[in-house]
Amino acid sequence: QSALTQPASVSGSPGQSITISCIGTSSDIGTYNYVSWYQQHPGKAPKLMIYEVRNRPSGVSNRFSGSKSGNTASLTISGLQAEDEADYYCSSYISSCTPYVFGTGTKVTVL
Amino acid sequence: QLVESGGGLVQPGVSLRLSCVASGFTFSGSWMTWVRQAPGKGPEWVANINPDGSETYYVDSMKGRFTISRDNAKNSLYLQLNSLRDGDTAIYFCARHLDWAFDFWGQGTLVTVSS
Repeated sequence: QSALTQPASVSGSPGQSITISCIGTSSDIGTYNYVSWYQQHPGKAPKLMIYEVRNRPSGVSNRFSGSKSGNTASLTISGLQAEDEADYYCSSYISSCTPYVFGTGTKVTVL
Repeated sequence: QLVESGGGLVQPGVSLRLSCVASGFTFSGSWMTWVRQAPGKGPEWVANINPDGSETYYVDSMKGRFTISRDNAKNSLYLQLNSLRDGDTAIYFCARHLDWAFDFWGQGTLVTVSS
């Protein structure tokens, strides 16, 4: 199973909104509403930001939102802040045999 | 909290057993996962195990070499790594699996395979 495809980098100025895409196939994102998003700061463990396409865990800012259309999922960060500068990874359920695949990762830079 | 241990520098071909001790949630009722991340790369899902340990799932490339297990009496999750290769060098994270996502992660343990 190949990794999901994300842009290598996305940047924005403080206060702006940015969107990170995650392109899969009809076998993963296109079939299942089990897309999650993770934020990872250098040297730290990933942190769950979005699950089941659009749900935010308790404690995650409502500046983070998720959506899906066809085989592509998206993470939008609104009101960009310096602390949002990090790597972001999507993940999707695939099948019961080999359940999960991660994306290639996107480095978000706050200008 | 999830705390991993057992990583280190090993030579190709050897075995290693990673451990993860859980606290602060009902470990015995939780699906658990191992995820690894090679240096400078994205995460790679490795294996899942159900709450009573009767069901396990692996990424195809690691089937037969890696074994996930758990001891609910000790609130502990394990990953047995056999026949280690250079490509297995990574930080290995344990995580709780909930709602089709990984909601709680340990800090990871580094495994370096090198001769």
